[in-house]
Amino acid sequence: KAGVTQTPRYLIKTRGQQVTLSCSPISGHRSVSWYQQTPGQGLQFLFEYFSETQRNKGNFPGRFSGRQFSNSRSEMNVSTLELGDSALYLCASSWGQGPPDTQYFGPGTRLTVL
Amino acid sequence: ELKVEQNPLFLSMQEGKNYTIYCNYSTTSDRLYWYRQDPGKSLESLFVLLSNGAVKQEGRLMASLDTKARLSTLHITAAVHDLSATYFCAVDWDRDDKIIFGKGTRLHILP
Repeated sequence: KAGVTQTPRYLIKTRGQQVTLSCSPISGHRSVSWYQQTPGQGLQFLFEYFSETQRNKGNFPGRFSGRQFSNSRSEMNVSTLELGDSALYLCASSWGQGPPDTQYFGPGTRLTVL
Repeated sequence: ELKVEQNPLFLSMQEGKNYTIYCNYSTTSDRLYWYRQDPGKSLESLFVLLSNGAVKQEGRLMASLDTKARLSTLHITAAVHDLSATYFCAVDWDRDDKIIFGKGTRLHILP
């Protein structure tokens, strides 16, 4: 069974630009969560989607948005990039709605903002 | 708001020794997770603990949960170099199902 895939794996952008990251969950999984990982703040929850609906959102500004498609693939978008958005962005998938028994994480997209 | 605290944040230990990582959380929770992250890699799920008194073991790692004390421990028995990694605990906040991570414990096992 293929794991969670994320594209692109690495991305370099400049301040003010926008970026879209993609996540394909494990086949059959309908829940996708996104996390931001930085050395200073650690792992922080961004949002969670289930069946194309956002179930939960973390404490991030409105520049961070996401969506989920009917095939469960998810994208997150960051507009007007700031230097502080440089981070590893991880997505995780799980089977159902509600607190998962296990989340399976993708390899991450490392975003560098110059 | 739910806070998750791990200690120690950094641990250097000799092979063959035992040690314990602690994870405290500040409010009630449905479940507690332990993950491992190798440098430059993603997170790997180790354990999920669902109820008070739950204990799970895999190889040299054993995790336990005390929901009354709001404490989970990850015990390492007879450490080997391959266990060097960063270990995270994470708690599902039952008020809104957000999963909150601790800062991680960076474990360095010396040969």
